[in-house]
Amino acid sequence: KAGVTQTPRYLIKTRGQQVTLSCSPISGHRSVSWYQQTPGQGLQFLFEYFSETQRNKGNFPGRFSGRQFSNSRSEMNVSTLELGDSALYLCASSIRDRPNTEAFFGQGTRLTVV
Amino acid sequence: GQSLEQPSEVTAVEGAIVQINCTYQTSGFYGLSWYQQHDGGAPTFLSYNGLDGLEETGRFSSFLSRSDSYGYLLLQELQMKDSASYFCAVRPGTALIFGKGTTLSVSS
Repeated sequence: KAGVTQTPRYLIKTRGQQVTLSCSPISGHRSVSWYQQTPGQGLQFLFEYFSETQRNKGNFPGRFSGRQFSNSRSEMNVSTLELGDSALYLCASSIRDRPNTEAFFGQGTRLTVV
Repeated sequence: GQSLEQPSEVTAVEGAIVQINCTYQTSGFYGLSWYQQHDGGAPTFLSYNGLDGLEETGRFSSFLSRSDSYGYLLLQELQMKDSASYFCAVRPGTALIFGKGTTLSVSS
């Protein structure tokens, strides 16, 4: 079965612009999480959605937002881009949220803000 | 909140054994997972420990001590392809929270 698909793979934006990233989870997975990955900072949790509801949010400014659609596809939006937003944005889907549940990651969207 | 500490870098040679430690502070116990990420790739699940003790999967083993809030990932018979970043993680609720990762460099 198809894995987690993130689009686009690469993106270059200018400071002050906004950007929307897309994530299609594995079929049947209703939980989608987003992470920001920068060198030395690991994977920092942004937010998690389940059945179109945001259930959890990380410590990021309000410029970062997201949503989930009825087909479980998710988008995240970053407004008023800053140079520090340059990062790899990863999406992960899970079939449930038990502690031992495996998360499946997409290849990520590499965002460069210039 | 939750925090996970792991070394930033580890180096080893082919054929050797390496241990990557992870200490965590969480408001409850949720088990400890390990993920591997090759440069430019997506993180992939390696193992999960819900109980104390050792879990073995081929060349990789993972250990957990709940009383010490400590776990480790043990990689045996290292191969060049094991060069990657390794992350420990906990799922205290609906979100999976990761440590900052350990970069393992395997040389010949």
